[in-house]
Amino acid sequence: DIQMTQSPSSLSASVGDRVTITCQASQDISNYLNWYQQKPGKAPKLLIYDASNLETGVPSRFSGSGSGTDFTFTISSLQPEDIATYYCQQYDNLPPAFGGGTKVEIK
Amino acid sequence: EVQLVESGGGLVQPGGSLRLSCAASGFTFSSYWMHWVRQAPGKGLVWVSRINSDGSSTSYADSVKGRFTISRDNAKNTLYLQMNSLRAEDTAVYYCAREATGTFYLWGQGTLVTVSS
Repeated sequence: DIQMTQSPSSLSASVGDRVTITCQASQDISNYLNWYQQKPGKAPKLLIYDASNLETGVPSRFSGSGSGTDFTFTISSLQPEDIATYYCQQYDNLPPAFGGGTKVEIK
Repeated sequence: EVQLVESGGGLVQPGGSLRLSCAASGFTFSSYWMHWVRQAPGKGLVWVSRINSDGSSTSYADSVKGRFTISRDNAKNTLYLQMNSLRAEDTAVYYCAREATGTFYLWGQGTLVTVSS
C-alpha cells in the first residue's frame, strides 16, 4: 500500500500569511493527488484535484503543485475562514490513502 | 440538490452489527462508484470500502475485510455498509463519498458509530 506523509501536522499563522503544506508519497503516484479541507464537525471538501487543478468555486488563494512523490499545497493569503484541517489523498493505487492531516490555526 | 445523506449510526456493543445507509439525490446514482471513508474521534480520514457503479465489484480495507460488506440498490439510490463483529476500534464517523477518476467530489455529512459496552 502507498503511504502518504504530510507535514507539518499543525501550524499557526497570521491572517494574510502564506501557508505551505507538503505531502510525500511512498512511491511515484504521478499527479494522482488531491487536497481536501475539513472544518470542525463537517465533511471533507475537495479543493484541489490532479495535484494542481482548482475545484470549481474554490477561491484562487488555494493552489497545489508537484508530481511523482512530492507535493505542495499553498494558501497564498490565509483568511480566518481557512481555519481547518487539510488532507492530501492519493488515488494511483487501491487503497486510496490519505495523509495524516495538517491543522491550520490563526496566530 | 445534489447530496448524500447517511443514516444508521448509533451505539452498539462489541461483537454486534449495524447497517449504515447513504441516500443519494440530485444526480444519477447508478453512474458512479461509491465509497465509505471513516474518521475515528480526533483522528484522520481512513478509506474503508468501494463499490463499482453496478455493484459487481467491491474492495475493502484490510482492517474490515471479512467483517464489513458494501452494497448498493440503484433502484433506491442507496448505498449500504453492513458491519458485523464490530470492535471498539471501529468507532468513528462514517462518510459515504461519490468518486470520479479516483477523486471524492461529494461527501455526505457522516454518521457516528460508537462501539462500546
